[in-house]
Amino acid sequence: EADIYQTPRYLVIGTGKKITLECSQTMGHDKMYWYQQDPGMELHLIHYSYGVNSTEKGDLSSESTVSRIRTEHFPLTLESARPSHTSQYLCASSGGTSAYEQYFGPGTRLTVT
Amino acid sequence: QKEVEQDPGPLSVPEGAIVSLNCTYSNSAFQYFMWYRQYSRKGPELLMYTYSSGNKEDGRFTAQVDKSSKYISLFIRDSQPSDSATYLCAMRRSGGYQKVTFGIGTKLQVIP
Repeated sequence: EADIYQTPRYLVIGTGKKITLECSQTMGHDKMYWYQQDPGMELHLIHYSYGVNSTEKGDLSSESTVSRIRTEHFPLTLESARPSHTSQYLCASSGGTSAYEQYFGPGTRLTVT
Repeated sequence: QKEVEQDPGPLSVPEGAIVSLNCTYSNSAFQYFMWYRQYSRKGPELLMYTYSSGNKEDGRFTAQVDKSSKYISLFIRDSQPSDSATYLCAMRRSGGYQKVTFGIGTKLQVIP
């Protein structure tokens, strides 16, 4: 089983609040990713990182931001949550040249009221 | 047009049946083809991957890639209730970092 963790698993929060979704992996992987998954839709890449101090935006425009200060940690922050941010957020990591094999965390289901 | 097309199902089969799951794609540059399995309320987990064309077998699972038709398949033999999950195909180009493009996923239910 992959050693990648996400907290919280479920979050219900009011509009305008600042939230941080945590993601940590213990596999020493250099690459980490954040995906958004909505019912009946594909996984959409919103952020990725090649390593410490490296972050890039993905294909899907997102108002969230990320940071990568430590190899194992890749938090995602929403400064002001809105109902349109309601979704499932999945964190993943991969190591070496094997970008095809991504290990996913269990996800955070975010509901903004 | 989506780069990867996958029928979302749901697909219901009796236990012991052979299941065929499929995806088509439009980008001929894709070289790595993966199948992920996602149980309810869990993240996807890699089931199998294939590089370029051909078949790959792992226990009850067989992955096939036909690049000439831009068509990939996953076969599950002797399906079990524990196979009930959503199966996502995924693919990427080779070389350096390339993003992975996922299908929408097919929901499979194996009925005891």
